[in-house]
Amino acid sequence: GDSVTQMEGPVTLSEEAFLTINCTYTATGYPSLFWYVQYPGEGLQLLLKATKADDKGSNKGFEATYRKETTSFHLEKGSVQVSDSAVYFCALSDLTGNNRKLIWGLGTSLAVNP
Amino acid sequence: DAGVIQSPRHEVTEMGQEVTLRCKPISGHDYLFWYRQTMMRGLELLIYFNNNVPIDDSGMPEDRFSAKMPNASFSTLKIQPSEPRDSAVYFCASSLGGFFLSYTFGSGTRLTVV
Repeated sequence: GDSVTQMEGPVTLSEEAFLTINCTYTATGYPSLFWYVQYPGEGLQLLLKATKADDKGSNKGFEATYRKETTSFHLEKGSVQVSDSAVYFCALSDLTGNNRKLIWGLGTSLAVNP
Repeated sequence: DAGVIQSPRHEVTEMGQEVTLRCKPISGHDYLFWYRQTMMRGLELLIYFNNNVPIDDSGMPEDRFSAKMPNASFSTLKIQPSEPRDSAVYFCASSLGGFFLSYTFGSGTRLTVV
């Protein structure tokens, strides 16, 4: 079945460092891909999305490009801030039949130190 | 809109007791999802509804778990009897038409079974 694999955390960076969180997937068909962010004590929020190959999703300085050839959707940010400390989830849409499910990675915790 | 509202935020109960978690989806959303989040297993979809009808409950772990959606503005997830291994954060999410861009999570209920 479809699956999402994220790099294990925790990731610890200093403020203004470059961030990469790797995400790879296996899927039949052509799913949409998503990154969600979960701040402490809160629910998940959509950070960015891409719906087809070579699409680049971006939001709040974060970017991710849908790479069909490498089945990847890595999250990047050029200069992280303390406020980016959170857990980041990669997900893909399960489009088999009438499903409306999202398939989730396990999440990657990011801590940014001042 | 107040978003997806879950109650209670925290619940501590003794093993063997019945626990009921509640969710109010965003008005107009016709899909409702219940998730469980643990460190070991990540985010697991338990069940989802479309127009108040359960569509897929394959993620419900055991018969001790049941979910209902008596109307478009209210859903419950019940665990009876509860066990310590049920301790987790339970999230409710809703969406319009099952479209992932409208997927909105509540803040979750942290359940501790002692």
